[in-house]
Amino acid sequence: KAGVTQTPRYLIKTRGQQVTLSCSPISGHRSVSWYQQTPGQGLQFLFEYFSETQRNKGNFPGRFSGRQFSNSRSEMNVSTLELGDSALYLCASSLALGPNSPLHFGNGTRLTVT
Amino acid sequence: DAKTTQPNSMESNEEEPVHLPCNHSTISGTDYIHWYRQLPSQGPEYVIHGLTSNVNNRMASLAIAEDRKSSTLILHRATLRDAAVYYCTGGYSGGGADGLTFGKGTHLIIQP
Repeated sequence: KAGVTQTPRYLIKTRGQQVTLSCSPISGHRSVSWYQQTPGQGLQFLFEYFSETQRNKGNFPGRFSGRQFSNSRSEMNVSTLELGDSALYLCASSLALGPNSPLHFGNGTRLTVT
Repeated sequence: DAKTTQPNSMESNEEEPVHLPCNHSTISGTDYIHWYRQLPSQGPEYVIHGLTSNVNNRMASLAIAEDRKSSTLILHRATLRDAAVYYCTGGYSGGGADGLTFGKGTHLIIQP
């Protein structure tokens, strides 16, 4: 069974640009969540989608957005990039919503903003 | 907000048991305790999770304190491949609305 696939693996952008990251969940998983990982802040929750609807959102500015498609694939978008957005962005899928459903992470997209 | 605390690093010898502690003093009654581990250049990998009772799977055991304010991940016989950063989660921040809240992680070093 294929794992969670994130593309691209690496990305370099300049300040002010926007970026779109893609995530394909494990087949059959309907929930997709996104996390930002930085050395200083660790893993921080961005948002969670289930059945194409955003169910939960973390404490990030509106420049961070996402969506989920009918096949459960998800994208996240960051507009007007800032240097502080440099991070590893991780996508995770799970069978269902809720804290009893383990997360299965992809290997992330490493975003560098210059 | 939910908050978890873990030691920054721990060291153990190969083939010995390892006990990784985590404090999650603000966990709510319905939040599960999850453990994940992360190798360099990879995403976190699910290890185990539980609510109140101790849990076992092929990777590890999870011992949960009776008051649920702490838990311990037990690797029964550590191998070099177990060297990783281990994260525990004390459930959802904000009481269920904001996704899993990860601790800063424990860097586990395994000596051969």
